[in-house]
Amino acid sequence: DGGITQSPKYLFRKEGQNVTLSCEQNLNHDAMYWYRQDPGQGLRLIYYSQIVNDFQKGDIAEGYSVSREKKESFPLTVTSAQKNPTAFYLCASSFQGVTEAFFGQGTRLTVV
Amino acid sequence: AQTVTQSQPEMSVQEAETVTLSCTYDTSESDYYLFWYKQPPSRQMILVIRQEAYKQQNATENRFSVNFQKAAKSFSLKISDSQLGDAAMYFCAYPNTGNQFYFGTGTSLTVIP
Repeated sequence: DGGITQSPKYLFRKEGQNVTLSCEQNLNHDAMYWYRQDPGQGLRLIYYSQIVNDFQKGDIAEGYSVSREKKESFPLTVTSAQKNPTAFYLCASSFQGVTEAFFGQGTRLTVV
Repeated sequence: AQTVTQSQPEMSVQEAETVTLSCTYDTSESDYYLFWYKQPPSRQMILVIRQEAYKQQNATENRFSVNFQKAAKSFSLKISDSQLGDAAMYFCAYPNTGNQFYFGTGTSLTVIP
């Protein structure tokens, strides 16, 4: 089945450590996105990529990094510079041009 | 800057009744799409309905329909014959021509049996 897969579903991190969230899609989508979801704040865009080896910062990119070495994969690294990383993270993908975005099931990151 | 505003943090509806969720947006573009997404307790985002701005006819998907007022930049979602499974967070979304999706803060819908 085609879809978008995020792993792991739950992730715990100690303060000061970097952690990488995985996002893989087999929908042949060109564009991929990372969003952060906090209570009462909706979804905020962290990074997005429209083609391989290219990506742009979203509204809240500080403390995060991404790579897009393959069309299918768009991993997000939460670095120790991110001051408040505990949140729910959603990955999405879409075709080029304005079509709907398809979402993964999310990763809940907790800093302990 | 493009923004999306949902002014109703919480709404409730009796089962089988109708409810309308509000959304306003800001854009300087003339041709665009708008979307409503549903996020149930599983937190999986599910597309509910989409509207193309150049189409004057309001989109409809079974019990879900929109009231699109382009001049007022308003995009409300009407849920008819509400069911218990409709209980969820609902997000209005606007993607700009660069494919950046902007989401509202969401409306939490409770369905009362």
